[in-house]
Amino acid sequence: EVQLVQSGAELKKPGESLKISCKGSGYTFSSDWIAWVRQTPGKGLEWMGIIYPGDSDTTYSPSFQGQVTISVDKSINTAYLQWDTLKASDTAIYFCARRGGGWYPTWGQGTLVTVSS
Amino acid sequence: DIQITQSPSSLSASVGDRVAITCRASLPISSSFHWYQQKPGKAPQLIVYAGSTLQSGVPSRFSGSGSGTDATLTITGLQPEDVAIYFCQQGFSLPHGFGQGTKLEIK
Repeated sequence: EVQLVQSGAELKKPGESLKISCKGSGYTFSSDWIAWVRQTPGKGLEWMGIIYPGDSDTTYSPSFQGQVTISVDKSINTAYLQWDTLKASDTAIYFCARRGGGWYPTWGQGTLVTVSS
Repeated sequence: DIQITQSPSSLSASVGDRVAITCRASLPISSSFHWYQQKPGKAPQLIVYAGSTLQSGVPSRFSGSGSGTDATLTITGLQPEDVAIYFCQQGFSLPHGFGQGTKLEIK
């Protein structure tokens, strides 16, 4: 079964750093792009960026460029989303998703990130 | 970036009704419209891709149509389990973007 399993919920303070993960299984991880998607009540689903595990080729949405870092460790079939300095506005649910053609047939369960003092 | 406008933002219909949700792209994107269903507390689930192809396991009451700048998701014979938020997504060019979502409720 093709699966993406994400790391657990996080509660952080403004200014702290954070790295969340997404582990793939049931398919050739290095061959399929992995995207990150943010969900907030106010803005719905926002596509953040995408990485190709085979060579770490990465593209960011202009809205998220410079705000987050997407990376991968293909040796352990895991993609990451990282913040150096969290803000309250980063509070959201973050999903990873495996790309098919231009669509996303497989999603992780989501990671709730709460940033609050 | 290609902008996606989805309508309506909410919809209430009766069991057995036919409902339609539309999506409009700011540029022609061929048939690169994809549709997702999201139930509370769950991740989005792909239901239609490439405009009209039903994802495996999705009931045949769901259908997709359209290309160019406009697409439609139709549910023919609404069921109680169809209560969810529906999103469209463009997969034509990066950054891939989503519509604002349609909240579907049962009357």
